[in-house]
Amino acid sequence: DARVTQTPRHKVTEMGQEVTMRCQPILGHNTVFWYRQTMMQGLELLAYFRNRAPLDDSGMPKDRFSAEMPDATLATLKIQPSEPRDSAVYFCASGHSGRADNEQFFGPGTRLTVL
Amino acid sequence: DQQVKQNSPSLSVQEGRISILNCDYTNSMFDYFLWYKKYPAEGPTFLISISSIKDKNEDGRFTVFLNKSAKHLSLHIVPSQPGDSAVYFCAAFLLSGNTPLVFGKGTRLSVIA
Repeated sequence: DARVTQTPRHKVTEMGQEVTMRCQPILGHNTVFWYRQTMMQGLELLAYFRNRAPLDDSGMPKDRFSAEMPDATLATLKIQPSEPRDSAVYFCASGHSGRADNEQFFGPGTRLTVL
Repeated sequence: DQQVKQNSPSLSVQEGRISILNCDYTNSMFDYFLWYKKYPAEGPTFLISISSIKDKNEDGRFTVFLNKSAKHLSLHIVPSQPGDSAVYFCAAFLLSGNTPLVFGKGTRLSVIA
């Protein structure tokens, strides 16, 4: 049963600390997306990759957020330094660019609380 | 500027009745529309999609209708069941350039037994 996995599931940290979230996309998928869910904005796209290359990260605050794909089985989202307003649920999703309907498969999310 | 809008943050429906979730969009070039369902503490899961060349797609209790002239789509759930209680997200994308999905803010559906 192929699924997207994310670690950690929950993270509580203090303002100013570095946070790293990890995602393992479904094997064979070539697109990876990072979303943030907040009450006000719903699901916001932060960044996405195709074939490990970053295509769009305009949704991310560049001064503190960074997203990378060191290899095809790992995507990371890093926040440094973290701030209370970063508290949200962060989702990773993967898909295949060859699919006409662009279906994305979501991981369970990382719930981040920055105190 | 929200390209995909779900203007109702919440909806309550009695079990057995029809649930209608609405979604409006501004970009007439969108090629595909999708509905995702999200339970608490889980990631969204794909529910149903429709191509812009169609006006209806049905899958069991779920039907999506697309009105291109009005830039409006709706998800009908008949009959509604308590297990359908979740947040429903409408999403859209352009085929050219493999653009990412653009999501609405979601509608929380509560099906009351």
